[in-house]
Amino acid sequence: DAMVIQNPRYQVTQFGKPVTLSCSQTLNHNVMYWYQQKSSQAPKLLFHYYDKDFNNEADTPDNFQSRRPNTSFCFLDIRSPGLGDAAMYLCATSAPSPPGAPTEAFFGQGTRLTVV
Amino acid sequence: GQSLEQPSEVTAVEGAIVQINCTYQTSGFYGLSWYQQHDGGAPTFLSYNALDGLEETGRFSSFLSRSDSYGYLLLQELQMKDSASYFCAVFNQAGTALIFGKGTTLSVSS
Repeated sequence: DAMVIQNPRYQVTQFGKPVTLSCSQTLNHNVMYWYQQKSSQAPKLLFHYYDKDFNNEADTPDNFQSRRPNTSFCFLDIRSPGLGDAAMYLCATSAPSPPGAPTEAFFGQGTRLTVV
Repeated sequence: GQSLEQPSEVTAVEGAIVQINCTYQTSGFYGLSWYQQHDGGAPTFLSYNALDGLEETGRFSSFLSRSDSYGYLLLQELQMKDSASYFCAVFNQAGTALIFGKGTTLSVSS
């Protein structure tokens, strides 16, 4: 059973048209992440939530926003997608364990965003 | 901050053994993780080392030396399906963000 679910798997959006990607989890983990991954590159962390606390990476463009209305759901909003935002967007979760750090992150299958 | 270095590409033949090295610099260290990612797929967790030494899981083993800030992933009896990208990763000091190395692309040929 899928534990981290991303919808949709593929998303096509128009240049400049706002788009929202969704992620849900059944693991009850308190940390949720959004990564951007371009072809042949490593996943790049955009931001994460620790419970309701939002943490933005310093180099994440303002064009990217996130919402986490409850433990289970997290959204990635791209306000004005540009051609350079075409990528795979990965959602992941983790839960801290003693002595303070988690050992594993659980990933969804990703949403591949195409900007036309 | 965190930085991890690993080779960009490794090639091998079926049945061989390959080692993918990772060196890291971190402010605060809990352990070193390894993830596998096939083309178009999501990263999947392979292993985690918090303590020095070798952890074995089937054909895959992972090693950590905390004093050397170094680890490796060892893949034995390579199969074609092992062709993928392999990432070493660490959590940040707060334990709330997983940071990846740039990844090693493994190509297994027959």
